[in-house]
Amino acid sequence: DIQLTQSPSTLPASLGERVTISCRTSQSISYSLNWYQQKPDGTVKRLIYSTSTLQSGVPSRFSGSGSGTDYSLSISSLESEDFAVYYCLQYATYPHTFGAGTKLELK
Amino acid sequence: EVKLVESGGGLVQPGRSLKLSCAASGFSFNHYWMGWVRQAPGKGLEWIGEINQDSSAINYTPSLKDKFTISRDNAQNTLYLQMNRLVSDDTAIYYCARAEWAFDYWGQGVMVTVSS
Repeated sequence: DIQLTQSPSTLPASLGERVTISCRTSQSISYSLNWYQQKPDGTVKRLIYSTSTLQSGVPSRFSGSGSGTDYSLSISSLESEDFAVYYCLQYATYPHTFGAGTKLELK
Repeated sequence: EVKLVESGGGLVQPGRSLKLSCAASGFSFNHYWMGWVRQAPGKGLEWIGEINQDSSAINYTPSLKDKFTISRDNAQNTLYLQMNRLVSDDTAIYYCARAEWAFDYWGQGVMVTVSS
């Protein structure tokens, strides 16, 4: 199975700040990586697919990049609704696997 | 509007079985792969598996392959998850999701608690 290592596990940040979350995979996944946001009520929403394609309706302050085994999600200017848990998911090979999550919290 | 609604959760005793359902609407159900994800209390997301449009291909995470079975009824626009020999570690919220470039739309989840 492909292992995904997300960092940091917790990210304290302020409104308006730019943040970046990293996802490192145990083998190359050829851009087959998505990012998800989970709110405290459990609602899960896809933000980015195929490394860098923004899901329809997702604000442009979210962006994704990466290649090979190193991927990242950036939020350019944090808004209050962005404080949540973020997960990466690889779908290059079965079984698909998630990262452990990054909790973005208000500093 | 894509809508996925899970049902069938609840409290179940260890060793027993439970079958979850996911009612889909707002899209052509028979055109999409579908799948399941779970989340134990206070933990991260765990990919369970996916099924293709005509049920000819089903993929599972290896640790659950012999316990869980994914199926679908395209006439009823419904996805299922049959869970057998349940143990306390299976206590989780179970989400169904549509699979387009992996999972795009998710349901709200249904809680399954395995306890005597």
